[in-house]
Amino acid sequence: EDQVTQSPEALRLQEGESSSLNCSYTVSGLRGLFWYRQDPGKGPEFLFTLYSAGEEKEKERLKATLTKKESFLHITAPKPEDSATYLCAVRGSGNTGKLIFGQGTTLQVKP
Amino acid sequence: NAGVMQNPRHLVRRRGQEARLRCSPMKGHSHVYWYRQLPEEGLKFMVYLQKENIIDESGMPKERFSAEFPKEGPSILRIQQVVRGDSAAYFCASSQGVTDTQYFGPGTRLTVL
Repeated sequence: EDQVTQSPEALRLQEGESSSLNCSYTVSGLRGLFWYRQDPGKGPEFLFTLYSAGEEKEKERLKATLTKKESFLHITAPKPEDSATYLCAVRGSGNTGKLIFGQGTTLQVKP
Repeated sequence: NAGVMQNPRHLVRRRGQEARLRCSPMKGHSHVYWYRQLPEEGLKFMVYLQKENIIDESGMPKERFSAEFPKEGPSILRIQQVVRGDSAAYFCASSQGVTDTQYFGPGTRLTVL
């Protein structure tokens, strides 16, 4: 069964304190790993898609990496506005487009 | 430039009533997905539709829930005879193709009294 586990559940950082969020996955035939950001009361906002081990993508202070078993979202010198819940999802084999989400990591960055 | 639109944003229903949630996909997108986020839980897939067709409804409860995406108009998620356990945030996403990125709407927050 396809499964996604994110850790830690919650993370508190001081502004400027870099860290990483983990997403471990089990999926038959990975057809994409996705990172989204969700603010309270809003819908998930797309950040990155990764397709194969070794792939990396960057956007401002965020960098996503992918191995055969997990993905990391690295946050460099975070700011308070980076505070949000970060969601990881995978799409497996089959032609349905169905995404399997992890529980998310709630990040709080204090000034 | 409109993204995925959902309405209503908030919906209150009493037990036994019907709830209708609407989703208009992004322009040019013909693939629509519905997800549910229960309090303190992650997003769970419910159903995937293309115009006039249900492709995958493996995540949808067998009773009381139905979805459609007609040739004209928005996709609709319909919940009949709502119960308190249906209280959740319902999100719609759309994509250009089945292998493309899914973009989410702001969600409809359903409260069942």
